[in-house]
Amino acid sequence: EDKVVQSPLSLVVHEGDTVTLNCSYEVTNFRSLLWYKQEKKAPTFLFMLTSSGIEKKSGRLSSILDKKELFSILNITATQTGDSAVYLCAVFSGSARQLTFGSGTQLTVLP
Amino acid sequence: EAGVVQSPRYKIIEKKQPVAFWCNPISGHNTLYWYLQNLGQGPELLIRYENEEAVDDSQLPKDRFSAERLKGVDSTLKIQPAELGDSAVYLCASSVAGDSTQYFGPGTRLLVL
Repeated sequence: EDKVVQSPLSLVVHEGDTVTLNCSYEVTNFRSLLWYKQEKKAPTFLFMLTSSGIEKKSGRLSSILDKKELFSILNITATQTGDSAVYLCAVFSGSARQLTFGSGTQLTVLP
Repeated sequence: EAGVVQSPRYKIIEKKQPVAFWCNPISGHNTLYWYLQNLGQGPELLIRYENEEAVDDSQLPKDRFSAERLKGVDSTLKIQPAELGDSAVYLCASSVAGDSTQYFGPGTRLLVL
């Protein structure tokens, strides 16, 4: 059974701090790992990673994948209150052709 | 480009009543997914459609849940009868066939009393 574990479950920081969110996985026939941001609505797509060691970057957010150790991290630098959300990690199995999600990390950024 | 559209956004019903959710995917997306999301959890797949065919419904509780995508575009998910434990957010997502990137609708928040 495919499995995705995220840590920490929740995190409270102050504006300007840098945070690192973790995602480890076990999946049959790995194809890709995706990060989503979920506020009080639909998950919105952030990154898709398929290759080890290649950093994806968008503004203050960046992510990298390690296919040997089966994990990914999502970094957010200079956090803002608008970064407060649940960050979901998901892996896509080429066998099942579906995403398996972790439980998410609830990030709260205080002013 | 319009995103995934879902309706209603919120629904409150009494237990044993039927309920239906509607989803219209992004134009050109052949693959449509229905997910259930409980509080504090990630989305869990209920059913996946490739065009009008349900290719993975192994996690759909078929005694009370049903879904259809008759013309391969929009889809309806139904619960009959609803139980208290069905209270959750029901998310619809779509993707281009074979692409792992899925785009989500705003979801329907269901409360069963």
